[in-house]
Amino acid sequence: KAGVTQTPRYLIKTRGQQVTLSCSPISGHRSVSWYQQTPGQGLQFLFEYFSETQRNKGNFPGRFSGRQFSNSRSEMNVSTLELGDSALYLCASSLAPGAVVAETQYFGPGTRLLVL
Amino acid sequence: KQEVTQIPAALSVPEGENLVLNCSFTDSAIYNLQWFRQDPGKGLTSLLLIQSSQREQTSGRLNASLDKSSGRSTLYIAASQPGDSATYLCAVPSQFTETSGSRLTFGEGTQLTVNP
Repeated sequence: KAGVTQTPRYLIKTRGQQVTLSCSPISGHRSVSWYQQTPGQGLQFLFEYFSETQRNKGNFPGRFSGRQFSNSRSEMNVSTLELGDSALYLCASSLAPGAVVAETQYFGPGTRLLVL
Repeated sequence: KQEVTQIPAALSVPEGENLVLNCSFTDSAIYNLQWFRQDPGKGLTSLLLIQSSQREQTSGRLNASLDKSSGRSTLYIAASQPGDSATYLCAVPSQFTETSGSRLTFGEGTQLTVNP
């Protein structure tokens, strides 16, 4: 079974531009979460989608948005890029959102974004 | 607000040594805890998931324990190998609600180096 895939793997943008990252979950998984990883802040939760609905959102500005399609693939968009947005963006998928019995989350390889 | 701390931040050991990585969390009302491994520049690989009703989980040379009451978990690696060199992260759900989904709070990680 194929793992979580993320495209593109590397991206270089300039300040003020916008960017769209894509995540394809493991087949059959319906929950997709996004995280930002930076050396200073570590791993921080961005948002989670399940059945095309955003279930949770982290403490990020409105420039960060996402969506999920009917096939569970997800995209995240960052508008008006800032230097501080340079990071590794990780996507994770699970069968369903963790409830009383949590589902193991499977992470993709990430998209490394560099903002110049 | 859930906070996760990992000690030590870095660890260097000779090959063959048994070692213990520590993780502590502030809110003991969790229903699971996950340990992940991250190789440089790569995504996260799930190692073990412990449900709150469990005290231990084992996978090969890895053994993870969970003590909810004290807010601690340990990851024990037996007979360490150079291939175990990576950053090890623990994560717990950010909130203890059924709607919290898969939102995880991560520790800063322990960077492990196993020297041949």
